[in-house]
Amino acid sequence: KNQVEQSPQSLIILEGKNCTLQCNYTVSPFSNLRWYKQDTGRGPVSLTIMTFSENTKSNGRYTATLDADTKQSSLHITASQLSDSASYICVVSAKAYSSASKIIFGSGTRLSIRP
Amino acid sequence: DVKVTQSSRYLVKRTGEKVFLECVQDMDHENMFWYRQDPGLGLRLIYFSYDVKMKEKGDIPEGYSVSREKKERFSLILESASTNQTSMYLCASSLWGDGYTFGSGTRLTVV
Repeated sequence: KNQVEQSPQSLIILEGKNCTLQCNYTVSPFSNLRWYKQDTGRGPVSLTIMTFSENTKSNGRYTATLDADTKQSSLHITASQLSDSASYICVVSAKAYSSASKIIFGSGTRLSIRP
Repeated sequence: DVKVTQSSRYLVKRTGEKVFLECVQDMDHENMFWYRQDPGLGLRLIYFSYDVKMKEKGDIPEGYSVSREKKERFSLILESASTNQTSMYLCASSLWGDGYTFGSGTRLTVV
């Protein structure tokens, strides 16, 4: 069964600290993995996309890693800011050209940054 | 930038009402989707469309229908709203093989 599991479910850290969010998946055959940031009451916005051959991709203070062998990804946030408070959703796509049901969403990690 | 616009940010409707949620995208994307998002359940696909007048059921289509008369517009219809349809509704669009662009969401409350 295609699944995407994220941990932790929620996380609270102090401003300026670093944190790492985890995503484990069993989607097959794998096509790509995306991390989205969703502010409260808003739609998700794409942060990074990674394909099978990519191990690391950065977007400012966000760095995503992918281990296709263990089917794990992480999103590392450096020097957190109050504006990083949001839900972070891991989304994995299977190699199905047409079917939207091959795109699997994780339940998200709710990150809160405290001053 | 692609823009996906949902017509309402917040809606309050009564049980049994017919509800229309509208979504418009401005970048000629083939695919459009409707999801609902509930705490602890993540995003769940209701319906999607890969072309005008084409539609396919997602994971939770019961109680919903959709309409895509024009490429840029994808409407979600709640035939007879019920309290268990209180949720955040997200519209998204994409090109084939590409990621999604999401709208800002519509928070629907059915009383």
